[in-house]
Amino acid sequence: KNQVEQSPQSLIILEGKNCTLQCNYTVSPFSNLRWYKQDTGRGPVSLTIMTFSENTKSNGRYTATLDADTKQSSLHITASQLSDSASYICVVSARDNYGQNFVFGPGTRLSVLP
Amino acid sequence: DTEVTQTPKHLVMGMTNKKSLKCEQHMGHRAMYWYKQKAKKPPELMFVYSYEKLSINESVPSRFSPECPNSSLLNLHLHALQPEDSALYLCASSQDRETAYGYTFGSGTRLTVV
Repeated sequence: KNQVEQSPQSLIILEGKNCTLQCNYTVSPFSNLRWYKQDTGRGPVSLTIMTFSENTKSNGRYTATLDADTKQSSLHITASQLSDSASYICVVSARDNYGQNFVFGPGTRLSVLP
Repeated sequence: DTEVTQTPKHLVMGMTNKKSLKCEQHMGHRAMYWYKQKAKKPPELMFVYSYEKLSINESVPSRFSPECPNSSLLNLHLHALQPEDSALYLCASSQDRETAYGYTFGSGTRLTVV
């Protein structure tokens, strides 16, 4: 069964600190892995998209890593800001005969405190 | 224009009402999606349209009726909803289903059924 797990479930950090969110998946056949940021009551916004051959991808203070062998990904946030408070969702795409099918993780709720 | 626009942003409706949610994009995308998201849960796929044809219906109750009048517009018609249908309804679009290139979410409609 295709599944995406994320840890921790929630995280509280102080402004200016770094943090790392984890994503483990059992999705086949793997197509790509995406990290989204979702503010409460808003739609998810894409942070990074990684394919099988990519190990690291950065978007400003966000850096995602992918280990396709162990089926793990991480999202590292550097020098956190209050505006980073949100849910971070890992989404793994599996491809079938008809196209891409997204498998969503449960998300990590990040709170950045002043 | 790189946005998916959803209207209304908020909707309160009674169980006997008929209402519609609207989603619009002008990116030339040919795949459009409806999701339902309950609080603190990841989005759940409801419907997928590919080239204006319904390609996926994830066993959604008939009180939800999707419509794709043209390649830029996606509607979700609501009738005789239940309080448990209260949720954030998200629309998304992508270049096509095969690649999901440019996958973009709208900001959502917060629906409350009373």
